[in-house]
Amino acid sequence: DVKVTQSSRYLVKRTGEKVFLECVQDMDHENMFWYRQDPGLGLRLIYFSYDVKMKEKGDIPEGYSVSREKKERFSLILESASTNQTSMYLCASSRQPGQGYSPLHFGNGTRLTVT
Amino acid sequence: GQQLNQSPQSMFIQEGEDVSMNCTSSSIFNTWLWYKQDPGEGPVLLIALYKAGELTSNGRLTAQFGITRKDSFLNISASIPSDVGIYFCAGQLYKAAGNKLTFGGGTRVLVKP
Repeated sequence: DVKVTQSSRYLVKRTGEKVFLECVQDMDHENMFWYRQDPGLGLRLIYFSYDVKMKEKGDIPEGYSVSREKKERFSLILESASTNQTSMYLCASSRQPGQGYSPLHFGNGTRLTVT
Repeated sequence: GQQLNQSPQSMFIQEGEDVSMNCTSSSIFNTWLWYKQDPGEGPVLLIALYKAGELTSNGRLTAQFGITRKDSFLNISASIPSDVGIYFCAGQLYKAAGNKLTFGGGTRVLVKP
């Protein structure tokens, strides 16, 4: 079974702090993603990566950056946390599809509160 | 960016009822997907649809890929308490870079008190 592990379930940080959210997958997947989940807005893509050291902006990258130094690990960084970044953050991974669709495998999420 | 409108936003189910939810888009997709998120967990794929008009079942779940490629619905027959959760539709364009998906806002399914 694919396992996507997010290092923290809950985090509380202060405005202006630098925040690191870590994600590790154990299935040698090429693709990794960071989403944020807010009620009524669904899942919105922040950044994704399709290879080590490669990154692409998603739909809402402002205020975030990412790092992928190793294939299994994808980190989301909030350079200076703000209250509007209070949210549930979901990491996901998938293999690079040959034909058809390759499912996303999600972690259990990190609920971040910025005060 | 692309928008997926999912409705209803929430619904109450009574055990044994059939329920339905749908998703519409302003743009076409080549793949439609339905995910379910249980409380405290990440979403899990329920059904994937690859062709316009396709109707696919997974147990008590049935989903269809609309003919126009701009919509999809999900039916749950004979609901049971463990159907509670948040259901998300998602669309993907053919060979979208990095397997990117666009998600709907979610339908929260709750049990009638």
